[in-house]
Amino acid sequence: KQEVTQIPAALSVPEGENLVLNCSFTDSAIYNLQWFRQDPGKGLTSLLLIQSSQREQTSGRLNASLDKSSGRSTLYIAASQPGDSATYLCAVVTSGGYQKVTFGIGTKLQVIP
Amino acid sequence: NAGVTQTPKFQVLKTGQSMTLQCAQDMNHNSMYWYRQDPGMGLRLIYYSASEGTTDKGEVPNGYNVSRLNKREFSLRLESAAPSQTSVYFCASSELRTVKFFGSGTQLSVL
Repeated sequence: KQEVTQIPAALSVPEGENLVLNCSFTDSAIYNLQWFRQDPGKGLTSLLLIQSSQREQTSGRLNASLDKSSGRSTLYIAASQPGDSATYLCAVVTSGGYQKVTFGIGTKLQVIP
Repeated sequence: NAGVTQTPKFQVLKTGQSMTLQCAQDMNHNSMYWYRQDPGMGLRLIYYSASEGTTDKGEVPNGYNVSRLNKREFSLRLESAAPSQTSVYFCASSELRTVKFFGSGTQLSVL
């Protein structure tokens, strides 16, 4: 059974700092991994999707990497801003059916002005 | 440009009551999903529909039923609500193995 762990559970940083969020998974037979952002009381917004054949994806100040062999993904946020404050979740689609999506609990990020 | 629309946003039920959560997407996606999100737990899949006319159970289907009314709409029904079904419910849609788009959620309390 796929298990997804996100560390740390919460993170507080000053504005402008670069930061890394971690996601680890136990079954390396994945199709893709997706990073989401969730604001309080809101739905999930997709940030980046990395296919199993890719090593990284970039969008603006965000960069996500994937290392299937070690079962890890990182989300790098450059020059953090208060508007980045949210909970960040990763979700893994495991081989055997695209319906087999396992979510992590998330990392709650607070960027302090 | 609505994306995925869920209704209602909030609902309070008494134990044993029934209700239907509605979801519609305007992106012409084949696949639609219902998840629940509980504190301290990742989102868990209740039911999904790979395409119009098909539905399948996810990880936590007990106590729920679904209907894929057409390509746009996917509803979730609680026939006899229980306090354990207090949760936040999200509908999502996607094409196969691509980005999932989520609705804004329904906060359900069962007393």
